Amino acid sequence: GAVVSQHPSRVICKSGTSVKIECRSLDFQATTMFWYRQFPKQSLMLMATSNEGSKATYEQGVEKDKFLINHASLTLSTLTVTSAHPEDSSFYICSARDGSGEETQYFGPGTRLLVL
Amino acid sequence: GQNIDQPTEMTATEGAIVQINCTYQTSGFNGLFWYQQHAGEAPTFLSYNVLDGLEEKGRFSSFLSRSKGYSYLLLKELQMKDSASYLCAPMDSNYQLIWGAGTKLIIKP
Repeated sequence: GAVVSQHPSRVICKSGTSVKIECRSLDFQATTMFWYRQFPKQSLMLMATSNEGSKATYEQGVEKDKFLINHASLTLSTLTVTSAHPEDSSFYICSARDGSGEETQYFGPGTRLLVL
Repeated sequence: GQNIDQPTEMTATEGAIVQINCTYQTSGFNGLFWYQQHAGEAPTFLSYNVLDGLEEKGRFSSFLSRSKGYSYLLLKELQMKDSASYLCAPMDSNYQLIWGAGTKLIIKP
């Protein structure tokens, strides 16, 4: 149980384009989803926390107009990187937590974004 | 501030036992997680401790002492596939996980 999928696993795009990443909880309802970014050999950095049906809470320094998050259902959250630039190239990972009281975050496999 | 202290890197031999220590300081505490992260992959959940003591799960065990702000992950019968980074992640009063850089564990034959 507790499987989280992410799509796409890898994306290469041109500078200035937008990229959408989907995160799905496959066998549980995720009341809360988290989006992280990880640069090589660095720790996970939380970008935002999203609760189903409400606006995402962004961490300090993360531009909400650049990283659009939609958590429209209990099994799906999307992250859209708008007007991507080379410095946005990173490993984006989502995680999900169910609403049963268990606090474990289960991670998706991640999306590697390369902006040329 | 919130802080996690783990060794940057450890080396162990296949078949042996290794203990990865973690000390932490958080604003409030709602348990501590250990995750495994292989290079280029996302973290996978290993264990969760919210009460003091030892939790055993197969070859992996995790210990917590809340009063000392201390946890360790014990890996027994090491296998080559255990080569990975191990992340100690305490949860603060806002139920947010606090992440450090983790411990890179290298297993040698």
